[in-house]
Amino acid sequence: EAQVTQNPRYLITVTGKKLTVTCSQNMNHEYMSWYRQDPGLGLRQIYYSMNVEVTDKGDVPEGYKVSRKEKRNFPLILESPSPNQTSLYFCASGGEEPQHFGDGTRLSIL
Amino acid sequence: GQQLNQSPQSMFIQEGEDVSMNCTSSSIFNTWLWYKQEPGEGPVLLIALYKAGELTSNGRLTAQFGITRKDSFLNISASIPSDVGIYFCAGLDNYGQNFVFGPGTRLSVLP
Repeated sequence: EAQVTQNPRYLITVTGKKLTVTCSQNMNHEYMSWYRQDPGLGLRQIYYSMNVEVTDKGDVPEGYKVSRKEKRNFPLILESPSPNQTSLYFCASGGEEPQHFGDGTRLSIL
Repeated sequence: GQQLNQSPQSMFIQEGEDVSMNCTSSSIFNTWLWYKQEPGEGPVLLIALYKAGELTSNGRLTAQFGITRKDSFLNISASIPSDVGIYFCAGLDNYGQNFVFGPGTRLSVLP
């Protein structure tokens, strides 16, 4: 079954404590991306990757890092999380566009 | 950055009615995508449009890529209760692979 898997699904943590949200896809997709979803703002792209070792900034990259060492994985790293990064995060993959989304990770930064 | 506007923001319709919603921008986009999101889930891709003027259907859904490349429309015919959700448009900007999402149209279907 085609899947984009995010972990964890929920996380409550404190300001400054580094965290990583993992994303894995089993469809051999070239394209992967991360979004955050906030009420009234829709989804905003954080980072995207067109292939292994190729990553680019989206609209709201500040405070986030990503890596694409393997085609299937695209982790999102918050080195020093802050409360304004409290949000619902989605990972997506596709051939050249976000075709499949994960079920989301709800992060709360206290 | 580039922005997309969606209208209406929300709509309440009777089961069986047809629905129209649109997505507009002041900038040109090269690809238009339409998604549906239900509570607790990620968006699901409904229709992808790649050429100006393109009209594409997926079951009861029909979407069009505007001639000006600055807008797109989604129609749902004969709505049913499971059409309830938030519908997002997204566009691929002219500069790369940055996909910009609209704020969504929330659809409620009354039995």
